Amino acid sequence: SQQGEEDPQALSIQEGENATMNCSYKTSINNLQWYRQNSGRGLVHLILIRSNEREKHSGRLRVTLDTSKKSSSLLITASRAADTASYFCATVLPSNDYKLSFGAGTTVTVRA
Amino acid sequence: KAGVTQTPRYLIKTRGQQVTLSCSPISGHRSVSWYQQTPGQGLQFLFEYFSETQRNKGNFPGRFSGRQFSNSRSEMNVSTLELGDSALYLCASSLSGGVQYFGPGTRLLVL
Repeated sequence: SQQGEEDPQALSIQEGENATMNCSYKTSINNLQWYRQNSGRGLVHLILIRSNEREKHSGRLRVTLDTSKKSSSLLITASRAADTASYFCATVLPSNDYKLSFGAGTTVTVRA
Repeated sequence: KAGVTQTPRYLIKTRGQQVTLSCSPISGHRSVSWYQQTPGQGLQFLFEYFSETQRNKGNFPGRFSGRQFSNSRSEMNVSTLELGDSALYLCASSLSGGVQYFGPGTRLLVL
């Protein structure tokens, strides 16, 4: 079974709007990572947040982590057409820092 | 630095055949992981190699195997192919844990 579950499964927004997606997981983690995938290609790493961090920013991306609720969120601000992609959260367990356990992903469509 | 490369990019095989996929990691990266992506099961971890040693294996049958060479290049092999093995196979490299850098994938179709 997958460690992470993402919500929503799909999201359609207008260019310039913000997009928020959530990830919940089941067990304690070492870190949580977000990846983007365009049209069935390879995954691109977006951001890594460690279990002792609560929030991280990278450009237009903001990630939060709530370990008490075992959840994370990814916010993309001022979305662009190029942000159209699938977004995956992946958890890394303390005992196994080289294995990513992925959620099912959120498909984001940004309309021009 | 060149990114992770995977060959071939596309492959069509028939049931019962075997297939070998290749992955060249980013220079200096010693960890190589393999993942299978299907519409039904999503992204699933196959195995990870570090310095030619398999450190962990996912929940896949023994038909799935891999190896890593001294130059960190890795191959995975699937024997006795089944229709359900049709998938995008992704390879990722890292220094040792942490952020993984993915290749473009090999899309395998089993007929």
